[in-house]
Amino acid sequence: DAGVIQSPRHEVTEMGQEVTLRCKPISGHNSLFWYRQTMMRGLELLIYFNNNVPIDDSGMPEDRFSAKMPNASFSTLKIQPSEPRDSAVYFCASSLEGRSNQPQHFGDGTRLSIL
Amino acid sequence: QQQVKQSPQSLIVQKGGIPIINCAYENTAFDYFPWYQQFPGKGPALLIAIRPDVSEKKEGRFTISFNKSAKQFSLHIRDSQPGDSTTYFCAALRGNTPLVFGKGTRLSVIA
Repeated sequence: DAGVIQSPRHEVTEMGQEVTLRCKPISGHNSLFWYRQTMMRGLELLIYFNNNVPIDDSGMPEDRFSAKMPNASFSTLKIQPSEPRDSAVYFCASSLEGRSNQPQHFGDGTRLSIL
Repeated sequence: QQQVKQSPQSLIVQKGGIPIINCAYENTAFDYFPWYQQFPGKGPALLIAIRPDVSEKKEGRFTISFNKSAKQFSLHIRDSQPGDSTTYFCAALRGNTPLVFGKGTRLSVIA
């Protein structure tokens, strides 16, 4: 069974450029989460979706960040314009909600470097 | 406000020792407490989890101890091996809300 798939695995770009991160959740999962991981702040939740609908985006740091989930098998996280402080590892996770206490399954992340 | 406090930040043990990682939480509404293991270049992977109606759960060499009154839970690794060297995160969950993670513990098991 395929896990959560993220692309690209690495992204290096210059400040000011638009960055798009992609995520394919596990088939059948109906909740999707975007996290950011840095040494200083650890794992931070940015936004999560339930049945393709954004439920809580309070973790999105600024208006430069946006996320979409056009269908159950695909989500994007976009940063426009990007800044050096956005450099981090971005993780996507999915779970099957509707039943309590379902574990979240993580992808292997996108390591983003903004120069 | 950090809702789950994890300690220590780093830990070094000898092979065969029993590293213990501790977490404390504030929100008594949390009802699920998983531990995740993260290797370099990989996403966190679920290791073991416990619900607050039990005080201990064992899976292989990994044990969670849970103290509801103290609002604390810990991970113990029996017969630790160099392959266990990586970063461990505790987390807490309420119902179907997102996980709240601790800051992580970097474990090194030396031969």
